[in-house]
Amino acid sequence: EIVLTQSPGTLSLSPGERATLSCRASQSVSSSYLAWYQQKPGQAPRLLIYGASSRATGIPDRFSGSGSGTDFTLTISRLEPEDFAVYYCQQYSSSPYTFGQGTKLEIK
Amino acid sequence: EVQLVESGGGLVQPGGSLRLSCAASGFTFSRYWMHWVRQAPGKGLVWVSRINSDGSSTRYADSVKGRFTISRDNAKNTLYLQMNSLRAEDTAVHYCARGKFLINDYGDYGASGFDYWGQGTLVTVSS
Repeated sequence: EIVLTQSPGTLSLSPGERATLSCRASQSVSSSYLAWYQQKPGQAPRLLIYGASSRATGIPDRFSGSGSGTDFTLTISRLEPEDFAVYYCQQYSSSPYTFGQGTKLEIK
Repeated sequence: EVQLVESGGGLVQPGGSLRLSCAASGFTFSRYWMHWVRQAPGKGLVWVSRINSDGSSTRYADSVKGRFTISRDNAKNTLYLQMNSLRAEDTAVHYCARGKFLINDYGDYGASGFDYWGQGTLVTVSS
């Protein structure tokens, strides 16, 4: 099983600032089958990034993903008020399709 | 418009059973792998199970193996999760999500994460 470890657990920033979220895998993620999701309270997760760096349909270009192998990053270039939420990384290369434990992005 | 609508959740006693359904619309259901993912109250996302496009292959998380069964009816555009021998730790919102898709009729797949999710259905296991 591939274990995904996200850091930090909580990130406190202000609107307009840049956010950098990390996801480290216990073994290499095949074909960069790494996704990032955003989840707000009471809502289903929303796909932001797939294939490590491709933005999903309708996702603003302030969201970007990078990385390969075992180290991946989600960057939000300039935080908008609606970006404060919990973010999860996930590998969908092989079963079990594990998620990281999440990073909570909160308003400072 | 792609829609996934779960139903079938509720309160059940430990050891009991429930069957969840996920009605799909707005896309060619039979060309997609489908997944169940759950989230216990205040906790993170946990993948539960997946089924391939024609239903011939399934996978489960160790925590549910032998107790849960995923299935699909492509004629009805519906995904199912039969949950038996339920435990308190199965208490969670259960989501269905869309996964891999058939690119062509030669069995080549594309993968773009879990791109659509239902709104979730709450399963509560308690006496």
